[in-house]
Amino acid sequence: DIVMTQSPDSLAVSLGERATFNCKSSQSLFDTSNNKNSLAWYQQKPGQPPKLLIYWATTRESGVPDRFSGSGSGTDFTLTISSLQAEDVAVYYCQQYSSTPPMYTFGQGTKLEIK
Amino acid sequence: QVHLVQSGAEVTTPGSSVKVSCKSSGGTFSSFPISWARQVPGQGPEWMGGIIPSLGKTTYAQKFQGRVTISADTSTATVYMEVTSLRSEDTAVYYCARPRGSMWSSFAYWGQGTLVTVSS
Repeated sequence: DIVMTQSPDSLAVSLGERATFNCKSSQSLFDTSNNKNSLAWYQQKPGQPPKLLIYWATTRESGVPDRFSGSGSGTDFTLTISSLQAEDVAVYYCQQYSSTPPMYTFGQGTKLEIK
Repeated sequence: QVHLVQSGAEVTTPGSSVKVSCKSSGGTFSSFPISWARQVPGQGPEWMGGIIPSLGKTTYAQKFQGRVTISADTSTATVYMEVTSLRSEDTAVYYCARPRGSMWSSFAYWGQGTLVTVSS
């Protein structure tokens, strides 16, 4: 099974500053059938389900502010918030997904706080 | 817009079973895979398995094979997830979720979650 490892476990950033989250997979997530990386990022606030932010490693979900961006390929991926807003306080998860056979694995999460 | 609405919280005892429902509205139901994931407080979500309702085809994570059954009723656009032989470690919030398209891909839509508490 693919293991997803996120770092750091927690992050404290000042308002307006950049926040960077890392995610490493135990196997390459690059899908040669579509030349895309099967990696998504989610934001979860207390008492709510996860919210999809980024899919295919770099594609922003509709309605997600453009301060959120995803990068990386293969086994190493990054989520960046370019200018931290107060409403961004949450836990962030990466997820790998595959269709043949269907399989999903989440990372353990990174908790974001305001410094 | 797709909405997934789950059944309410459950309190159960060790050794019993629980069945949680997820009703879909908006968009097409039958052709899109719906998954179940659970989340223990303080941990990341864990995928349990899923179903393509129109085909009745199910797939399960190895960890849950044999103890979890996912089913669908296309007439009511509802998917069910039953867990048997419950133990205290199964206490978690259970979510249904589905992608935007017909492929098994990232989860654009989520139910509100159902807290299942297993306690003697």
